[in-house]
Amino acid sequence: AQSVTQPDIHITVSEGASLELRCNYSYGATPYLFWYVQSPGQGLQLLLKYFSGDTLVQGIKGFEAEFKRSQSSFNLRKPSVHWSDAAEYFCAVGASDSSYKLIFGSGTRLLVRP
Amino acid sequence: GAVVSQHPSRVICKSGTSVKIECRSLDFQATTMFWYRQFPKQSLMLMATSNEGSKATYEQGVEKDKFLINHASLTLSTLTVTSAHPEDSSFYICSATGQGADEQYFGPGTRLTVT
Repeated sequence: AQSVTQPDIHITVSEGASLELRCNYSYGATPYLFWYVQSPGQGLQLLLKYFSGDTLVQGIKGFEAEFKRSQSSFNLRKPSVHWSDAAEYFCAVGASDSSYKLIFGSGTRLLVRP
Repeated sequence: GAVVSQHPSRVICKSGTSVKIECRSLDFQATTMFWYRQFPKQSLMLMATSNEGSKATYEQGVEKDKFLINHASLTLSTLTVTSAHPEDSSFYICSATGQGADEQYFGPGTRLTVT
């Protein structure tokens, strides 16, 4: 069965420091992969997505993610974190049955130290 | 483009009553809509998938008689929580996708509190 693992429940970084949020997936074929961000009490905003092609994907707000098939990973990175990046981040994989369903990881809460 | 709204953003209801949450796609035709439930500090759990004009498909463990979903038009889906109980208190989020789209567009969510 498909699954998504985000091993870090929360991460704290200092403002200006680099960030990497981990995501591992379990999937039999080439997955559709997504990263979303959620601010408290809000819906989800898409940061970036990977379907095929270049394995380094650029997203909004300076985020990027790299698809590594050999490691079944799709880690999210940002070179310099801003205080406004503090939020919950969800990795998701698209279901294999063409239903448009998403399977979400458990999320990583990012805290930013001033 | 691709904006999804939800109404209301917050609702408080008494135990035993029913409450309806609306999900609208404002600038595209949503052939498929999804309803999620999110408990505090947890991930999104898919409740059901609805295609316009069809009955919703519920995920395992979701009571279809309790969570009534209607997708009567290409821009509107509703979730009705019937005979609500305090354990139904949660954050409900809808999303929508249209023909040819390769992602879901999420609404801002509805906070339901059952007293």
